[in-house]
Amino acid sequence: QVQLVQSGAEVKKPGSSVKVSCKASGGTLVSYAISWVRQAPGQGLEWMGGFIPIFGSAKYAQRFQGRVTIVADESTDTAYMELSSLRFEDTAFYYCARGQFPYPTWHESWGQGTLVTVSS
Amino acid sequence: EIVMTQSPVTLSVSPGERATLSCRASQSISSNVAWYQQKPGQAPRLLIYGASTRATGVPARFSGSGSGAEFTLTITSLRSEDFAVYYCQQYNDWPPLTFGGGTRVEI
Repeated sequence: QVQLVQSGAEVKKPGSSVKVSCKASGGTLVSYAISWVRQAPGQGLEWMGGFIPIFGSAKYAQRFQGRVTIVADESTDTAYMELSSLRFEDTAFYYCARGQFPYPTWHESWGQGTLVTVSS
Repeated sequence: EIVMTQSPVTLSVSPGERATLSCRASQSISSNVAWYQQKPGQAPRLLIYGASTRATGVPARFSGSGSGAEFTLTITSLRSEDFAVYYCQQYNDWPPLTFGGGTRVEI
């Protein structure tokens, strides 16, 4: 089973941006749909958006539209999620998850999660 | 947006007992639902997709059923490692994919 490895924890100031990476080990990543899911402390799972290879672009949840950018780099088989205009309430674990081809459906492989802390 | 509602929020059971978790969609989603297990400090783990197909390596004591808007995850003969939070997720209509709020299975 493919393993997804994410970049390390980040501490950011309000108003700044954060970029989290996700790379596959033991398999491929960017030929599949890739979702980004966040989880605030003690809360549930929330889908932010996903890269859809059949479109060659991402689709986003409306509440993050305009603040989140999800891309996939085929040359390095790495996916990225950038969240801008950070607020205190963006403090959360951010997970990448591999869906199926060609659409995001269920997610069998997950990254270990990246904790993003927004603090002044 | 399809809203997924899970019940109960917390389920108290004893090892060896059966646990039945429910998930309701705000509209019909055919069989396009997955179930995940999440333990503290860990990423979610896929248990079930297509409402009833077990993922690779998932023990047979986990089973899923339902179609349309009502779904059930059943765990027979609970073991200590099964105490966790369980989420349902629909993938019938997106964006967005949506998750239920979770059910915590505790002793």
